[in-house]
Amino acid sequence: DQQVKQNSPSLSVQEGRISILNCDYTNSMFDYFLWYKKYPAEGPTFLISISSIKDKNEDGRFTVFLNKSAKHLSLHIVPSQPGDSAVYFCAASARGYGGSQGNLIFGKGTKLSVKP
Amino acid sequence: DAGVIQSPRHEVTEMGQEVTLRCKPISGHDYLFWYRQTMMRGLELLIYFNNNVPIDDSGMPEDRFSAKMPNASFSTLKIQPSEPRDSAVYFCASSLGSRNQPQHFGDGTRLSIL
Repeated sequence: DQQVKQNSPSLSVQEGRISILNCDYTNSMFDYFLWYKKYPAEGPTFLISISSIKDKNEDGRFTVFLNKSAKHLSLHIVPSQPGDSAVYFCAASARGYGGSQGNLIFGKGTKLSVKP
Repeated sequence: DAGVIQSPRHEVTEMGQEVTLRCKPISGHDYLFWYRQTMMRGLELLIYFNNNVPIDDSGMPEDRFSAKMPNASFSTLKIQPSEPRDSAVYFCASSLGSRNQPQHFGDGTRLSIL
C-alpha cells in the first residue's frame, strides 16, 4: 500500500510555462514533506521542503504548496526551463515513524520534460 | 565539498556471489541511509545509522542483506548470496542532525545479478 503517491508518471511542459507536479499521501501522521530532483545516472538532489505547520514555501522558481485537509502537496516551477527536465520525487516523514529520525517515504516519481 | 561517494558505480556478478557496496558519507554528517530503487517498488529505505549505530533495519529484505558502519566515514552493504531479484540501484545518503534536515544522496550503484 503506497503511502505517498505521484499519480502522473510523466509531464511535458513548454519552456517558460508553469510546471505543476502533484503528490498525495495517506498517512495523517506525516508532518514533513520534501521534493527531490533526479537526473539520469545521478542520485536524487534535495530541492525544497515544507513542514506541516505551513501551507506554502518558496525558493526562487520553486514553490511547494501543502493542503493538509486534502493530504495533497504540489510543486510549482515558474518559469520552467529545459534544465528542469528530470524525475521529481515527493517524500514524506512522520516523527517517530521508523525510529527517531523518521523514515522518508518516497513516491515513485514524475518525469518532467521541458521543451524549448 | 565532496558529496556522498559510492563505489562501485556498476556491479555485474553471477547469482550466488557475495556483493559488497561501499559508501563514504559527507564529512560531519551523523546519519547514514541505504536505499534501494526498483521499477516496481520505487525508492525504499533499507537501513539507517545514527553515529555509526544501526537504528532501523526493518527495510532490509532478508537475512542475506547486512550493513555495517565501522566508523563515521565508511559504510558497507553486503548481499550474500546474491540473487537475480536483488538487481536494482542502491543509493547511500547522509544527513546532519535532526529529522528535518535533507538527506544528500550519492550517485548510486547499479547492481545486476545474472
